[in-house]
Amino acid sequence: EIVLTQSPGTLSLSPGERATLSCRASQSVRRSNLAWYQLQPGQAPRLLIYGASSRATGIPDRFSGSGSGTDFTLTISRLEPEDFVVYYCQQYGSSPGTFGQGTKVEIK
Amino acid sequence: EVQLVQSRAEVKKPGESLKISCKGSGYSFSNYWIGWVRQMPGKGLEWMGIIYPGDSESRYSPSFQGQVTMSVDKSISTAYLQWSSLKASDTAVYYCVRPRDGGYGAFYFDYWGQGTLVTVSS
Repeated sequence: EIVLTQSPGTLSLSPGERATLSCRASQSVRRSNLAWYQLQPGQAPRLLIYGASSRATGIPDRFSGSGSGTDFTLTISRLEPEDFVVYYCQQYGSSPGTFGQGTKVEIK
Repeated sequence: EVQLVQSRAEVKKPGESLKISCKGSGYSFSNYWIGWVRQMPGKGLEWMGIIYPGDSESRYSPSFQGQVTMSVDKSISTAYLQWSSLKASDTAVYYCVRPRDGGYGAFYFDYWGQGTLVTVSS
């Protein structure tokens, strides 16, 4: 199965700054079938990005995804207070779909 | 508005059985797969399996085959995840999810429930 490695484990930034989260796959992800999710404590997780770069319904345009092959990036252009949570990538280009270990974005 | 509403947190003893639920609304429940994702304490996310309400076809991740059972009652738009004999290692948050097919037998998940915390302790 494909192993996804997210970096950094924790990202310390201030509101208004730009966040860049990385997700690297152990082998090429077919058709760039990569998704990003946001997990907020006590709330239902939320799909942010699918197909590496397509924003899900209702997701603000400060969230963007890019990449192909084995290297993918989630960018948050200007951090809002509610963005300081945990993010996971997931590949669904081969079965079973697998998740990365997560990146926590914390307030500096 | 699509919603997946899960049953409340449970505290059980090892060896006990358990069935948790997930009720879908705001979409045609019978026409979409529904699945489950586990998050153990302090750990990441793991896909467990999916089931199609229309005909109850199910697909399990190899890691969870034989460990849990998924079922659905499409008449009340509800999916279930059950254990016949819980272990302490089943302690986790379980999310129900609505899968979307990526075309290679794997799925991404466009809607999630709020999670059900299952605690198994003697």
